Amino acid sequence: QVTLRESGPALVKPTQTLTLTCTVSGFSLTTSGMSVIWIRQPPGKALEWLAVADGDGDKYYSTSLKTRLTISMDPSKNQVVLTMTDMDPVDTATYYCARVQLRAFDYWGQGTLVTVSS
Amino acid sequence: EVVLTQSPATLSLSPGDRATLSCRASQSVSNFLAWYQQKPGQAPRLLIYDTSTRAAGIPARFSGSGSGTDFTLTIGSLEPEDFAVYYCQQRSGWRGWAFGQGTKVEIK
Repeated sequence: QVTLRESGPALVKPTQTLTLTCTVSGFSLTTSGMSVIWIRQPPGKALEWLAVADGDGDKYYSTSLKTRLTISMDPSKNQVVLTMTDMDPVDTATYYCARVQLRAFDYWGQGTLVTVSS
Repeated sequence: EVVLTQSPATLSLSPGDRATLSCRASQSVSNFLAWYQQKPGQAPRLLIYDTSTRAAGIPARFSGSGSGTDFTLTIGSLEPEDFAVYYCQQRSGWRGWAFGQGTKVEIK
């Protein structure tokens, strides 16, 4: 059974760095072609992709946010970690991780709401 | 970068009605278009991938079609559980991704 679960702080202050962890089960992060993506959704708004990492060690970032994002994989822990620097209230959103398969996102975590406020 | 535009923003229909949702790309894209359903407080759920292939467990009343820049999600006969927000999604450039802004299907 494939599952993904996001974890991280619910509240961060402006200018702080956010670190989120996606813990996966039911599939291997080291499988060639396997990817995990981070996506966010501000309250009442649309989905926005942030970063993706694959089992070959490649990483890709949203053009608009690439200077603030770092994605990494730790296959030994079955984890994919996203860091976002210089957080701002506009970054308040639910953050999801999802598995990339067949050019779509077939399994999603339940999401974690991150609020940026002083 | 590909921009996906969904229409209409809101679709007001009754159970049993047929729903037709549109997704238009800013440039001609491959047929790697997907559709998701999202209900309040839940993560999106994959419905359709590669334009017309239903994901596992998705009822046959959901169908996808299209090519080039114009794609459609059709719900053949709306069930009460189908009232939700629907998003289209496409690869954008090399290893980038794009989502539409969503269409809300609400009860009339």
